[in-house]
Amino acid sequence: DVLMTQTPVSLPVSLGGQVSISCRSSQSLVHNNGNTYLSWYIQKPSQSPQLLIYKVSNRFSGISDRFSGSGSGTDFTLKISRVEPDDLGVYYCGQGTQYPYTFGAGTKLELK
Amino acid sequence: EVQLVESGGGLVQPGRSLKLSCAASGFTFSDYNMAWVRQAPKKGLEWVATIIYDGSRTYYRDSVKGRFTISRDNAKSTLYLQMDSLRSEDTATYYCATLNYYSSYTHWGQGVMVTVSS
Repeated sequence: DVLMTQTPVSLPVSLGGQVSISCRSSQSLVHNNGNTYLSWYIQKPSQSPQLLIYKVSNRFSGISDRFSGSGSGTDFTLKISRVEPDDLGVYYCGQGTQYPYTFGAGTKLELK
Repeated sequence: EVQLVESGGGLVQPGRSLKLSCAASGFTFSDYNMAWVRQAPKKGLEWVATIIYDGSRTYYRDSVKGRFTISRDNAKSTLYLQMDSLRSEDTATYYCATLNYYSSYTHWGQGVMVTVSS
């Protein structure tokens, strides 16, 4: 199975600040077809997860440009700029390149 | 608006069965691959199973293979998860989700709780 390692586990932030979350995979996420199926999700308190970013760097419909994804191979990053109160929650990276699909353990974004 | 509404959860004894349903609306259900993802209490997300848009193929995580069956009824726009031989470690909130072409979970239901306990 592809192990997804997220760091940090907890990320204190000030409103208006910028943060980065790292996600590393134990194997390359490049599919045989050349695409890299790495996504980012947020789970706000008491809510279902929501898709933010798909295929490494593509923002899902309605997602603010304050969210950006980057990376390749086994090393990926989610950046959030001008953090707002509604951004607080747990962020997960997930891979859909190879079964079983797997997620990182999550990074909790919280106020300082 | 895409809506996914799960039902069928509850408290069940170890070894017993439960069948979850996910009623979909607001999109052409038969065009999309679908998945079940679960989340144990205070834990992270765990993929459970995927079914291709026409039901032709299914995929399972090893820990549920042979015990869980994912299926769909495209005429009813409904996804199912038949869970047999339930174990305490299956206790979780179960979400149904749509999958896009890039294997991302684009829309999620509100989740349904399954508790396996004697």
